[in-house]
Amino acid sequence: EADIYQTPRYLVIGTGKKITLECSQTMGHDKMYWYQQDPGMELHLIHYSYGVNSTEKGDLSSESTVSRIRTEHFPLTLESARPSHTSQYLCASSEIEGARAGELFFGEGSRLTVL
Amino acid sequence: KNQVEQSPQSLIILEGKNCTLQCNYTVSPFSNLRWYKQDTGRGPVSLTIMTFSENTKSNGRYTATLDADTKQSSLHITASQLSDSASYICVVSDRGSTLGRLYFGRGTQLTVWP
Repeated sequence: EADIYQTPRYLVIGTGKKITLECSQTMGHDKMYWYQQDPGMELHLIHYSYGVNSTEKGDLSSESTVSRIRTEHFPLTLESARPSHTSQYLCASSEIEGARAGELFFGEGSRLTVL
Repeated sequence: KNQVEQSPQSLIILEGKNCTLQCNYTVSPFSNLRWYKQDTGRGPVSLTIMTFSENTKSNGRYTATLDADTKQSSLHITASQLSDSASYICVVSDRGSTLGRLYFGRGTQLTVWP
């Protein structure tokens, strides 16, 4: 079992609200990611981090922001949620070196619905 | 354009039967290919990794194959169980784990009926 946790699992909010999706891992992984997943579609990378104080935007244009002030914590924030942000958000982490380098360990996801 | 295509999009089989899922890719350069299993409402979990030099690898009832020349991979499930019902996602990396970019397929939704 992966030791990576996401909260909340489900969230329904109104348009314009600010939300933060939490992600924590206890495996000491340097690399962390946020993906967006819609039904029947491939995962899209929205943010990633190589380590503390390192954050990069992914392939999918996103109005969200992330921070990495601790190795184990990688929260994602939406300043003003819109219905187009309704989706499943998956957090993942991976080792950079070692026998399982590159293998993604995923959290169970946060399903966001914006009304 | 680097892409990963999976087929079929969905598949229904009876418990105890075998099935094979396909993954074709155009990613270049190629580093490795992973198959992930995603149960409904959960995050994906890695089943197996294939590198350029590997042709086949097994993980219990799951056997993955790779033909790097034709850029095709398959995931064969033997003696299916109800718990095999899930989405199976093919992910290709174009470089080493540190700098590699990942390309995701859309997944094959497998349903196993009793």
